[in-house]
Amino acid sequence: EADIYQTPRYLVIGTGKKITLECSQTMGHDKMYWYQQDPGMELHLIHYSYGVNSTEKGDLSSESTVSRIRTEHFPLTLESARPSHTSQYLCASSLRIPYNSPLHFGNGTRLTVT
Amino acid sequence: AQTVTQSQPEMSVQEAETVTLSCTYDTSESDYYLFWYKQPPSRQMILVIRQEAYKQQNATENRFSVNFQKAAKSFSLKISDSQLGDAAMYFCAQSQGAQKLVFGQGTRLTINP
Repeated sequence: EADIYQTPRYLVIGTGKKITLECSQTMGHDKMYWYQQDPGMELHLIHYSYGVNSTEKGDLSSESTVSRIRTEHFPLTLESARPSHTSQYLCASSLRIPYNSPLHFGNGTRLTVT
Repeated sequence: AQTVTQSQPEMSVQEAETVTLSCTYDTSESDYYLFWYKQPPSRQMILVIRQEAYKQQNATENRFSVNFQKAAKSFSLKISDSQLGDAAMYFCAQSQGAQKLVFGQGTRLTINP
């Protein structure tokens, strides 16, 4: 059962549109992450947060932005979608301590930009 | 910098047989954590097994076990009595302290009935 929820599950949108991918978790986790993953490929960290009002860019350069106003909510926004943004976006969360706490993943949002 | 390498893009095994997925990593730290995650088709990624580097004993979870070779920086996953439900992408990952997790490229495992 998912304690971390991503909406929408699938999204097809035209070039230039602004979109927000939602991610919420009910586990009280401090740490949250956004990964970009092309189908069957490796995960690339694009944003992460260690808690409220904390956001950091990940390893993969991304034109998206994130916010963390509430512990349970970590939305990702693309101001102007492009075909190169077509991918799957995975949200995850974990406890801050202990350090070996596993990541809990959402079901992902599969984004297609036409 | 941390790196995690999975040299087997794809593996296949007969149902009920045993398969081993390889993973190597590179780190300058002595204390770190290793994980194997499973991503079934169109389903959530979930944790399979984890290992603390300071523990010499290999972790085991039912049919899943690891072979952790710290000196060789190797962390392979063994799946015994493979089942159709084991078919998935498997990702090896490593973290150090409070730092973020680094994933390998993934291995696609197919189970042949």
